Amino acid sequence: EAQVTQNPRYLITVTGKKLTVTCSQNMNHEYMSWYRQDPGLGLRQIYYSMNVEVTDKGDVPEGYKVSRKEKRNFPLILESPSPNQTSLYFCASSPLSANYGYTFGSGTRLTVV
Amino acid sequence: AQSVAQPEDQVNVAEGNPLTVKCTYSVSGNPYLFWYVQYPNRGLQFLLKYITGDNLVKGSYGFEAEFNKSQTSFHLKKPSALVSDSALYFCAVRDRYNFNKFYFGSGTKLNVKP
Repeated sequence: EAQVTQNPRYLITVTGKKLTVTCSQNMNHEYMSWYRQDPGLGLRQIYYSMNVEVTDKGDVPEGYKVSRKEKRNFPLILESPSPNQTSLYFCASSPLSANYGYTFGSGTRLTVV
Repeated sequence: AQSVAQPEDQVNVAEGNPLTVKCTYSVSGNPYLFWYVQYPNRGLQFLLKYITGDNLVKGSYGFEAEFNKSQTSFHLKKPSALVSDSALYFCAVRDRYNFNKFYFGSGTKLNVKP
C-alpha cells in the first residue's frame, strides 16, 4: 500500500530534550515536506525537500532541522523543543510535479511541557 | 500575498440536505486546486483536484467541486450529506510553475446532523 509513515503518533517531552520525528514514504516521491497544524492557523510549512540532500525552509522553520540522506526518509529534528512547538505535525510527499497533490502521513501530536 | 480563504470556520447541515464548503484563492497564474478531508486523529486525505478542463470536478465519497475562474473560487459540494461526512475540510492551491508553493486554507469543520 502506498503510504507515508510517521513515528511516533503521540509524544510528550520536556523543554530542551532533543527529539526526532521520523517520516518514510514508499512511493519513490522526490518531494517531501513537513507541516504543523494549529487551531485557526491551518497548515504551515516548516521545511521541504526536492530530492536527496536538497532541503529548504518553509514558512515557519525556526527551531526545526531536517535531513534527506535517503529518498524515502525525511526526519524532523527538534534540537531544543519549547512549549510553543506543541502542535500536530504532518509529513507529506508528492512527485515533482504541481498537478499532483500530497500524500500525508497520519500525523504526530507533540506536547512539550 | 498568495492566500487561500475558507470564509466559514464551521458549516452545519442536516443529513440528506445539500452541502457547500466555500473556498476562494488569491494565487497568481493558473494554479492547481485541491480539496482534502481530515477525520479526527487522522492525516489529510485527498478528495479531488482541478487541473484543467470541465469546471465541475467529481471526487471521492460523492463530493464534487466547481471551479470558477472569474471569481477565483473552488467550492466543495455534495448533493446529499451524510452524518459520516462530518470532518474538517481543507482547500489547497498549488502553484503550477513553482510546485513547492502549496497553500492551504485554515479549514472548515463540517457538521452533519441526523
